[in-house]
Parts: sequence; C-alpha cells; structure tokens
Amino acid sequence: AQSVSQHNHHVILSEAASLELGCNYSYGGTVNLFWYVQYPGQHLQLLLKYFSGDPLVKGIKGFEAEFIKSKFSFNLRKPSVQWSDTAEYFCATLSGGSYIPTFGRGTSLIVHP
Amino acid sequence: EAGVAQSPRYKIIEKRQSVAFWCNPISGHATLYWYQQILGQGPKLLIQFQNNGVVDDSQLPKDRFSAERLKGVDSTLKIQPAKLEDSAVYLCASTTTGSPLHFGNGTRLTVT
Repeated sequence: AQSVSQHNHHVILSEAASLELGCNYSYGGTVNLFWYVQYPGQHLQLLLKYFSGDPLVKGIKGFEAEFIKSKFSFNLRKPSVQWSDTAEYFCATLSGGSYIPTFGRGTSLIVHP
Repeated sequence: EAGVAQSPRYKIIEKRQSVAFWCNPISGHATLYWYQQILGQGPKLLIQFQNNGVVDDSQLPKDRFSAERLKGVDSTLKIQPAKLEDSAVYLCASTTTGSPLHFGNGTRLTVT
C-alpha cells in the first residue's frame, strides 16, 4: 500500500528564515503529489500539486516543491517564511490508479515574529 | 464557487451515544470522501463515494460507523455507539476529474 512520510513533525523558525519540509512516498509508479496547508481554525487548503512535467512546482504564497523521482521525494520549500505561515502542512499522494489520496501525518510549523 | 459545507462544527457527546455529521459537497463534484483526523495525525480515509455508490470503505469501522449518499449529493456519516477513541475532526472532501480535493471545515467531535 502507498504511504507518505513526513519526517519533520514540529518545526520552529524565526521570520525570514528559509523553510524545507520533507516528504517521501512509497509508490514506485506514476504519482500525483500535493501539499496541503491547514491554518489555525481553518480547513485544509491546497498549496501546490504535481501531476507531470516540470518537477519544480510553484504554489501559492511563495511556496514551491521539487519532485525528485529517484529519491521518492517531494519536499516543500520557501526561501523566507512569515509569521502568517504558522500552520500544519500535509503532504499527500494519489498513485497506482487510485483516486484515494493518502496523507502524511503532517508537520506543525511555528514562525516566531 | 461555494465550498464544501459541513455541520455541525462541534459536537460533544458521551460514550455509547450516537452522532451524525452532514456534508454538502461542491456542486457537480461526483466524488466525496470522509476522513477522520485525530489530533497530531494526518487525515485518514474512512470512505469514498462516487455519486451514490461506495468506492472504498475498507477503513471504515463498520461495527459502529455508517455512511450514505443516497441521491449522490449530500452525505451523512453516523457513529453508533461512540467510543472515546472516536474523538477527532471528521472531514468531508469532494472532487471531480482533474481537480484536487476541496475540504470542508470539519466537525470536531469530543466523546466524553
């Protein structure tokens, strides 16, 4: 069965620091990859997605992610975080012909002003 | 475009009581999911509907959980009887071909 691993469970940064959140998936075939964000008290929202093509994906709010097939990774990055980026971040996959998204356990990001 | 609507937002019940959650997906979205999100964990799929048919309910605890989507639009998720470990946020999401998941705000269930 497909699985998603997020290695950083809690990340604390100061404003303007750079961010990289790790995501690894287990499926070796064609995958669709997503990062979702959940701000405090709000619903899950899509940050960015990868289906095919350019492995460097740009999302909203200055986020980007790079699909590295050889490493089974889809890490999320932002060069300079803001206090408003404080949220839970979830990596998710669709793979194997299934339309059932599988989520990682999430990473809690706290950005200090 | 209206989002996915869920109600209630919060529910507190005692163990062994029953509870029901309601979801109204985005108009035209044939696929609907119910997820359970326990504090500190990612969302876990409970059931997936395609129109009014069940696609996958392999992770639904069928002895106490049930869900239906009779007319292929709204859906209800029921727990009867509830256990302490059912305390979680229950998320409804919908999608259509080529679209990512759109989530509702969820229902936060506390079982005491």
